[in-house]
Amino acid sequence: DIQLTQSPSFLSASVGDRVTMTCRASQGISLYLAWYQQKPGKAPKLLISAASTLQGGVPSRFSGSGSGTEFTLTISSLQPEDFASYYCQQLQSYPPTFGGGTKVEIK
Amino acid sequence: QVQLVQSGTEVKESGASVKLSCKTSGYIFTTYSVHWVRQAPGQGLEWMGLISPSDGSRSNAQNLQGRVTLTRDLSSTTVYMELSSLRSEDTAMYFCARDFGNYIFDNWGQGTLVTVSS
Repeated sequence: DIQLTQSPSFLSASVGDRVTMTCRASQGISLYLAWYQQKPGKAPKLLISAASTLQGGVPSRFSGSGSGTEFTLTISSLQPEDFASYYCQQLQSYPPTFGGGTKVEIK
Repeated sequence: QVQLVQSGTEVKESGASVKLSCKTSGYIFTTYSVHWVRQAPGQGLEWMGLISPSDGSRSNAQNLQGRVTLTRDLSSTTVYMELSSLRSEDTAMYFCARDFGNYIFDNWGQGTLVTVSS
């Protein structure tokens, strides 16, 4: 199975900050990566697919980049509603696997 | 609009089985696979398995082999997940999710909390 390692596990930031988190794959997955946002007690929400394709309705302050084994999710200006956990998921091969998550907390 | 609505909270004893439902609507049921993902308290997301409603074909995570049974009912456009021989580490929130293609989960159920008591 392809392993995904997210860093950092926890991130403390303020409203308006630029935030970046990383997802590393144990083998190359081209652009086959998705990002999800999850708030406490809620289901994950798809933000980005194909490493950088923003889903409809997702604010443009979210962006994804990377290919192969290293990927990045950036929030250009953190908003109060962005405090949540973020998970990457590889779409390259069966079984689909998730990273351990990055929790964005209020500083 | 696309909706996946899951059944309610379950409390089970160790060794028992639980069967969860995921009622879908707003799209052609047989077009997209449905996956199950679980999340233990304070932990990350764990993929469990998938079912293709068109032909009923399914596949489960290796570590759950033999304990998970996925089924579907075409008439009610509902997918079911049964987990047997429950143990305390199965305590988790269980989600169903629609696979838009290439394992992209674009719509999710609200989750079902399963608590296993010993």
